[in-house]
Amino acid sequence: QKEVEQNSGPLSVPEGAIASLNCTYSDRGSQSFFWYRQYSGKSPELIMSIYSNGDKEDGRFTAQLNKASQYVSLLIRDSQPSDSATYLCAVKVGGGSQGNLIFGKGTKLSVKP
Amino acid sequence: GAVVSQHPSRVICKSGTSVKIECRSLDFQATTMFWYRQFPKQSLMLMATSNEGSKATYEQGVEKDKFLINHASLTLSTLTVTSAHPEDSSFYICSASIAGGATDTQYFGPGTRLTVL
Repeated sequence: QKEVEQNSGPLSVPEGAIASLNCTYSDRGSQSFFWYRQYSGKSPELIMSIYSNGDKEDGRFTAQLNKASQYVSLLIRDSQPSDSATYLCAVKVGGGSQGNLIFGKGTKLSVKP
Repeated sequence: GAVVSQHPSRVICKSGTSVKIECRSLDFQATTMFWYRQFPKQSLMLMATSNEGSKATYEQGVEKDKFLINHASLTLSTLTVTSAHPEDSSFYICSASIAGGATDTQYFGPGTRLTVL
């Protein structure tokens, strides 16, 4: 059973702080990793994808991947109240466009003004 | 780019009726479309993978005769919930991968909230 684990939270940070979201996965052969943001009642929207070990930065977001530890994280700098949402970690199983995504249960982030 | 639409966004139906949900990729061709279901406070659960022109692959525990999937073209997949019951009430979300693309990113539609009375 391939699994993706996330702390459900809620994670509460003050506005302007760094929010750190963590995710572990069980399938050592996984190669593609994604972070999605989901607002209440809405569908997920892609924030970042990461495929190689190390850091990948996009604006205020930084994804970090450590395949040896089977660990992927998302850092949100200068957190804003609009960042308050549930963040879903997803790991792709299988290759090409037909591979399935296994989702974690999500971490609820609350950014306090 | 990479926009996926779903229709309807919300549907309420009586128990025993069938409901069809459409998923369209608006600005790209999708070799593969995926159907997910999400119950309140739960994560997304993959129901089936749909490939254009072929039968869908259903996840374990998903009844293929109840959840009919048709992927007739590279831009349209439909999910029909047959003989819906209250326990089928959920948020149904489709996603699509770009055909022939180097990326394996899935782009999600806005979802359809189904309520069965």
